[in-house]
Amino acid sequence: QKEVEQNSGPLSVPEGAIASLNCTYSDRGSQSFFWYRQYSGKSPELIMFIYSNGDKEDGRFTAQLNKASQYVSLLIRDSQPSDSATYLCAVMGAGNNRKLIWGLGTSLAVNP
Amino acid sequence: DVKVTQSSRYLVKRTGEKVFLECVQDMDHENMFWYRQDPGLGLRLIYFSYDVKMKEKGDIPEGYSVSREKKERFSLILESASTNQTSMYLCASSFIPGPYEQYFGPGTRLTVT
Repeated sequence: QKEVEQNSGPLSVPEGAIASLNCTYSDRGSQSFFWYRQYSGKSPELIMFIYSNGDKEDGRFTAQLNKASQYVSLLIRDSQPSDSATYLCAVMGAGNNRKLIWGLGTSLAVNP
Repeated sequence: DVKVTQSSRYLVKRTGEKVFLECVQDMDHENMFWYRQDPGLGLRLIYFSYDVKMKEKGDIPEGYSVSREKKERFSLILESASTNQTSMYLCASSFIPGPYEQYFGPGTRLTVT
């Protein structure tokens, strides 16, 4: 069974700090990795994706991928109260079957 | 911007009713998906479609069917609604070629009484 694991949290950080969200996956052949943000009662919205080892930056967000360790992370710099949400990690498995495998999400609370 | 719309934000139905949930995307995406999301269980895939008139079962297809007669429209049907189908239903779409990021509609909160 292919799995994506996330710490459910809640992760609590003060405003202005760096929030670090982690995700591990079981399928070594996974190709693409996605981070979504979901506010309570709303649908998931794409933050960014990554498919090469290393870092990818987009504004205050940085995704980090380490395929050898089967680990992907999301860093949020200068965290704001508006970043308080659940963050979902999703993985495209091997075989390019177009489906995503989803983690259960990490709840983030940014305290003013 | 990608736009995925769903027919209702909130829906209340009675046990045994036939329920139709519609999803429309305006970006000519090939792939469309139906999920349900429940607390503690995350996103679970019900059905997906790679093309018109094509459908594939997801992880929890029991009690559901789908229809895709046009590329932009993907319908989820609950043949005989039951209380355990009370959930948030989310439609998503993605395009070819990859990396196949999915774009979600606003969701339908369905309550079956």
